Amino acid sequence: EAQVTQNPRYLITVTGKKLTVTCSQNMNHEYMSWYRQDPGLGLRQIYYSMNVEVTDKGDVPEGYKVSRKEKRNFPLILESPSPNQTSLYFCASRETGTSGGARTDTQYFGPGTRLTVL
Amino acid sequence: AQSVTQPDIHITVSEGASLELRCNYSYGATPYLFWYVQSPGQGLQLLLKYFSGDTLVQGIKGFEAEFKRSQSSFNLRKPSVHWSDAAEYFCAVGFDGSSNTGKLIFGQGTTLQVKP
Repeated sequence: EAQVTQNPRYLITVTGKKLTVTCSQNMNHEYMSWYRQDPGLGLRQIYYSMNVEVTDKGDVPEGYKVSRKEKRNFPLILESPSPNQTSLYFCASRETGTSGGARTDTQYFGPGTRLTVL
Repeated sequence: AQSVTQPDIHITVSEGASLELRCNYSYGATPYLFWYVQSPGQGLQLLLKYFSGDTLVQGIKGFEAEFKRSQSSFNLRKPSVHWSDAAEYFCAVGFDGSSNTGKLIFGQGTTLQVKP
């Protein structure tokens, strides 16, 4: 089954304790990204990766790091979490191509990771 | 700057009634348009998408949406709502072109409550 998986699904931690949220996709997509969801703000992009070893900042990258050593995995790293990083995090994997002669561009999201930083 | 607005934060409809969720975007060219649904405790599921062609698109779960270029809108509709449709709905916009970073811009979301 084509899917994006994230772990952990829920995490409560304390300020300053480094953590990593993993993301993996089995669709062989080149593009992956991370979003955070906050009430009233919708989803905002944190980082994205066009391909292996190619990453770039999204709209809200402060306090986050990412790496893309292999195509299927795109972990999100919080070196020193703070309470304002309490949020719901989504990893996404992007499919591009053509269908019936028309271009398609669709992103598939993981189940989300709810992070609480105390 | 590109933006997406969902004017209704919260909507309540009776089961069996029709539904329309509004979405307006601000962008200088034709974007790619999406509607996602997020059920309680769940991730985001793609309902439907528009890239080009027919401006009325059909999606899963009986949903449809119509792209109206003149109004910069992409409203989501369903003729008869079921209790299982209660969820949060997000409109999102993507962009083509040389500056395409793949980023989706999301609206604030609309929470749908269904009354029995």
